[in-house]
Amino acid sequence: AQKVTQAQTEISVVEKEDVTLDCVYETRDTTYYLFWYKQPPSGELVFLIRRNSFDEQNEISGRYSWNFQKSTSSFNFTITASQVVDSAVYFCALSEAGGSEKLVFGKGTKLTVNP
Amino acid sequence: KAGVTQTPRYLIKTRGQQVTLSCSPISGHRSVSWYQQTPGQGLQFLFEYFSETQRNKGNFPGRFSGRQFSNSRSEMNVSTLELGDSALYLCASSLVTGARNEQYFGPGTRLTVT
Repeated sequence: AQKVTQAQTEISVVEKEDVTLDCVYETRDTTYYLFWYKQPPSGELVFLIRRNSFDEQNEISGRYSWNFQKSTSSFNFTITASQVVDSAVYFCALSEAGGSEKLVFGKGTKLTVNP
Repeated sequence: KAGVTQTPRYLIKTRGQQVTLSCSPISGHRSVSWYQQTPGQGLQFLFEYFSETQRNKGNFPGRFSGRQFSNSRSEMNVSTLELGDSALYLCASSLVTGARNEQYFGPGTRLTVT
């Protein structure tokens, strides 16, 4: 069975601090895809990154970086020098290879960045 | 390119009534998925349609149903509404290729059942 765990329910930081959001997943498939989405107060889920199970290369995009480690089944997300606009709920999601686009989401981590 | 659109954005219904929600995917996207988001259960997969066929279904009662039209637009229907159906219903579309692509989400329909 597929499962995504985001153990941090809420995180509060002060602007310019670095923050890491944890994501641990479970799957029996050898081919799978991992995603991070951001949900600002407006409610719409915004895609941030996709990673497939064969690509363990870490990725950096501006202030965002992702650390994918198959050995620990983790796909953590770090925001460097956080800003107030980063305040949102962040979701990690898993999709197994196959005929369906189904995403299994974690419960989300609510990040509040205070000025 | 226009994003995923959902109508209506807000809806208030009474227990026992039925409701139909609509989703227009991004042009060229043939897969449409529906998710229910509640504070208690989080984001849960309802079903996915591809080329007018249901490809997968989540663990929801038969009161929840959907369909997809030839232009990829999709509707979901909930019959005999219950208070617990109050939620944000999100629609997502994706481009189906050999690899798994990202899904793009609409703004959602906020359903309140009284």
